[in-house]
Amino acid sequence: SAVISQKPSRDICQRGTSLTIQCQVDSQVTMMFWYRQQPGQSLTLIATANQGSEATYESGFVIDKFPISRPNLTFSTLTVSNMSPEDSSIYLCSVGGHTNEKLFFGSGTQLSVL
Amino acid sequence: AQKITQTQPGMFVQEKEAVTLDCTYDTSDQSYGLFWYKQPSSGEMIFLIYQGSYDEQNATEGRYSLNFQKARKSANLVISASQLGDSAMYFCAMREGHLSTGTASKLTFGTGTRLQVTL
Repeated sequence: SAVISQKPSRDICQRGTSLTIQCQVDSQVTMMFWYRQQPGQSLTLIATANQGSEATYESGFVIDKFPISRPNLTFSTLTVSNMSPEDSSIYLCSVGGHTNEKLFFGSGTQLSVL
Repeated sequence: AQKITQTQPGMFVQEKEAVTLDCTYDTSDQSYGLFWYKQPSSGEMIFLIYQGSYDEQNATEGRYSLNFQKARKSANLVISASQLGDSAMYFCAMREGHLSTGTASKLTFGTGTRLQVTL
């Protein structure tokens, strides 16, 4: 399985600020995804990070609020912009490849917004 | 209708016993994949086991096995010889389509089951 490093592991932020979360994989992967898990809830897909093109966002998520970059096949970032307490969640990146149907997750970023 | 249903919000099992966590799914696709993940209190999502819709054998990974009953659309996780470290949230998830054919869609998760292993 791929080794996925996600940083930061946790952060406490002030409302109105932005936080960028990084996801680094130790091998090239085809698919990278970003999920959000609100307190006590299940996971919801934010977007699919596409290498070399704009991310594909799910209903209810927009690029201005959650800009995503994916400059290559091993790295992606998610920014949570203009944060409010409602953005307090665990954010997780997930990766998968063409030859392997399994999907693995990074260790997650626990974000608290005051 | 819910795509993934986990009807057990919480389960208790005694150490060294086996436990079954239920998961039913709903899809009209012929090609799909079913996943189980473990989430300890640290928040990370740990991959446990995967079952493809065309796989004829039930998937097994160490103490984890997936009881796949396609006609009933169920994919229950069986944990044998429970350990205290198994205490966590467990999520069932489904992906419709396949990555290799470029038809894959997002993972849809169930609401989870909190498993508590007791002495």
